[in-house]
Amino acid sequence: SQQGEEDPQALSIQEGENATMNCSYKTSINNLQWYRQNSGRGLVHLILIRSNEREKHSGRLRVTLDTSKKSSSLLITASRAADTASYFCATDMEYGNKLVFGAGTILRVKS
Amino acid sequence: GAGVSQSPRYKVAKRGQDVALRCDPISGHVSLFWYQQALGQGPEFLTYFQNEAQLDKSGLPSDRFFAERPEGSVSTLKIQRTQQEDSAVYLCASSPYRVLYNSPLHFGNGTRLTVT
Repeated sequence: SQQGEEDPQALSIQEGENATMNCSYKTSINNLQWYRQNSGRGLVHLILIRSNEREKHSGRLRVTLDTSKKSSSLLITASRAADTASYFCATDMEYGNKLVFGAGTILRVKS
Repeated sequence: GAGVSQSPRYKVAKRGQDVALRCDPISGHVSLFWYQQALGQGPEFLTYFQNEAQLDKSGLPSDRFFAERPEGSVSTLKIQRTQQEDSAVYLCASSPYRVLYNSPLHFGNGTRLTVT
């Protein structure tokens, strides 16, 4: 079973626009991570936010975490065609040494 | 440096055949994970090794699935008597840490298994 659920399932935007993806989860966590997966490839780690952090930035990425609502959002600013990929949130639960992934958001950036 | 390497990249098996999927983690990485990713879904946890010890196999879907890491480096995921529902991408990931706490996973490109 999957702990996280991403919203929306698919998102199509124009190059230069911002893309926002949301993730909800069910149990207490140590951290929440976002990964990108290009078609036919493995997952690439983007950013990790700890349970005691509320916001984190990395380049064009901004992640927020609201532990009271058990939700996170990933914002990609000034999107590029190369950002086209699937994006997954993953939670490192408080109990258990593994990452649990959501179903992902498919992002398409049109040039 | 070299990343996580998986082989083969693609595998087609007839229903009932046995298959073996290989994972070469990043050198020195202690922890190794296997995930199964069905089409259009997120990765689902299968099993986890710390060095040669298999500490969690709670995600293996049936006793047809078996994983090993005998020398604490290379790992093999074996599926016996493959069924069509086993068709998926099998991802391997590694970490330099014993405990995953606040650290990311490094993934290979996966093996796409198609059972006909």
